[in-house]
Amino acid sequence: DSGVTQTPKHLITATGQRVTLRCSPRSGDLSVYWYQQSLDQGLQFLIQYYNGEERAKGNILERFSAQQFPDLHSELNLSSLELGDSALYFCASRGSVGYTFGSGTRLTVV
Amino acid sequence: GQQLNQSPQSMFIQEGEDVSMNCTSSSIFNTWLWYKQDPGEGPVLLIALYKAGELTSNGRLTAQFGITRKDSFLNISASIPSDVGIYFCAGLGGGADGLTFGKGTHLIIQP
Repeated sequence: DSGVTQTPKHLITATGQRVTLRCSPRSGDLSVYWYQQSLDQGLQFLIQYYNGEERAKGNILERFSAQQFPDLHSELNLSSLELGDSALYFCASRGSVGYTFGSGTRLTVV
Repeated sequence: GQQLNQSPQSMFIQEGEDVSMNCTSSSIFNTWLWYKQDPGEGPVLLIALYKAGELTSNGRLTAQFGITRKDSFLNISASIPSDVGIYFCAGLGGGADGLTFGKGTHLIIQP
């Protein structure tokens, strides 16, 4: 157990739908990072939050958004889903021991 | 954008053999990280490198941060079956936000 919790583990949904992925960082870590892992693109940085505020954006589509709540958990919202959004979505938190990844959410869009 | 070129893409080796993989970049990074990912799991940090020229070991694993800050290698000695998985290099810094990952090296071990 890495200490970073992601739910759900698997998600199957139809095109055009919207889903929310949840992440709880390691206890004490203020930073949360979201990554997308697909077969052809590898691990791509999407967005970072630090103590509730957006800190950095990577290759995140406009259809995607995220937020970090006062209890430091974060949610990644994916809307108007397309087949190409099928991927593993990882959350990582950063603290004194560096970056720690959760087990990911596997999203399948059908 | 930044890219990390990781090689080889895959390796088929016999148990007990040594393994070597590397990453190169056109950009300078301040930190190099090596991760291992097992099926259905997230990447797990193996070794972190913070200074150019730094050589760090973690058990049978050894990694080095290149002097130019544009490359790093990972060696695994005397491979065992549980070493199977995908190994990723990742760089931090160089003008990009978040970690920049290589495409991974698939390590397959034949008994």
